[in-house]
Amino acid sequence: ELKVEQNPLFLSMQEGKNYTIYCNYSTTSDRLYWYRQDPGKSLESLFVLLSNGAVKQEGRLMASLDTKARLSTLHITAAVHDLSATYFCAVLPYSGAGSYQLTFGKGTKLSVIP
Amino acid sequence: EAGVTQFPSHSVIEKGQTVTLRCDPISGHDNLYWYRRVMGKEIKFLLHFVKESKQDESGMPNNRFLAERTGGTYSTLKVQPAELEDSGVYFCASSPRGSTNYGYTFGSGTRLTVV
Repeated sequence: ELKVEQNPLFLSMQEGKNYTIYCNYSTTSDRLYWYRQDPGKSLESLFVLLSNGAVKQEGRLMASLDTKARLSTLHITAAVHDLSATYFCAVLPYSGAGSYQLTFGKGTKLSVIP
Repeated sequence: EAGVTQFPSHSVIEKGQTVTLRCDPISGHDNLYWYRRVMGKEIKFLLHFVKESKQDESGMPNNRFLAERTGGTYSTLKVQPAELEDSGVYFCASSPRGSTNYGYTFGSGTRLTVV
């Protein structure tokens, strides 16, 4: 059974600071997704990572994937208040398994304070 | 394009009653998924439709849950009779046929409270 562990679960950080959210998973996978959720809203797709070594950046967020270590990171650079939200990583099993079943981490609730 | 639409956004029902949730996927998306987040827990997979066929229903918790996708368009998820532990947020998502390269588009969810 695929397990996804995300940490930290809660993160309070000052504006302008950098931080990293970690997502570990337990079985072989080559497809990992990061989502953002604002309260009462849908899960908004941030990044789709499809290969070992994949790195994607959008604004102050950068995501990477290391399939050998079974680890993805979401790095926040110079945080601003607008980044306050809950961030989820989600993993699909290795593409050869034919499964479309996403397994989610518990989410990281990020609060950026002035 | 319109996103994934779910309604109602909130539902409060009594234990033993029936509730039906609806999801309208993005037009043309063959794949439709239901997920659920119970308070304090992870978002969990319930089932996956390809057009009108159930491809994977391994996450459905028990036979009180019935999902349908009429004509391969919108989907409904019925809970009958509802129990207290069914409370949570039910998400629907859709994706194009045959590809996971773009991720899944999620709706805003239906918050179900069973009292």
